[in-house]
Amino acid sequence: NAGVTQTPKFRVLKTGQSMTLLCAQDMNHEYMYWYRQDPGMGLRLIHYSVGEGTTAKGEVPDGYNVSRLKKQNFLLGLESAAPSQTSVYFCASSYSITGGTQYFGPGTRLLVL
Amino acid sequence: RKEVEQDPGPFNVPEGATVAFNCTYSNSASQSFFWYRQDCRKEPKLLMSVYSSGNEDGRFTAQLNRASQYISLLIRDSKLSDSATYLCVTLAGSARQLTFGSGTQLTVLP
Repeated sequence: NAGVTQTPKFRVLKTGQSMTLLCAQDMNHEYMYWYRQDPGMGLRLIHYSVGEGTTAKGEVPDGYNVSRLKKQNFLLGLESAAPSQTSVYFCASSYSITGGTQYFGPGTRLLVL
Repeated sequence: RKEVEQDPGPFNVPEGATVAFNCTYSNSASQSFFWYRQDCRKEPKLLMSVYSSGNEDGRFTAQLNRASQYISLLIRDSKLSDSATYLCVTLAGSARQLTFGSGTQLTVLP
């Protein structure tokens, strides 16, 4: 099992460019999450999904969109990147019951110039 | 005010020392509590759950005080490999959302 994988690992964007971050999990988890981590801020929830075809907003959703067309994939989109979106992005997944045990991907480092 | 507050540290301790981390949370609807560990430039990983009666996992002991909304983690006989950032985490909501503290950095020195 690969667990949770994320692509790309690192990306540099210019302000205004768009990109999509891909998260994939092979554990048949129902729930998937996107977080961002900034120094001194901890991890903050951007969007989450409780099943295929569903998405919901987290704590800091502005400037991001998500899609969960397949159970194993959760995509995070930035339509028009801003320097404030420079961060490390983590995807996570969990079973609906265990909840607290979330399995994280290795992260994507994004720099917006 | 952050929903989960931790002392950021850093805590620098010698090998073999005992070290304690504290955490407070403000959401009284929090249902479950955890400590996660995050190594430098890596993803967070679950260290242990925290139960009201207190629980132990080897050298690690976690305590929860719901009345005070306070969580602690005690590490005994520190090892070099314990060097990491420790994240205090609460769970709430029907979507099992986790709220993370900013983390406490620990460095164990030889």
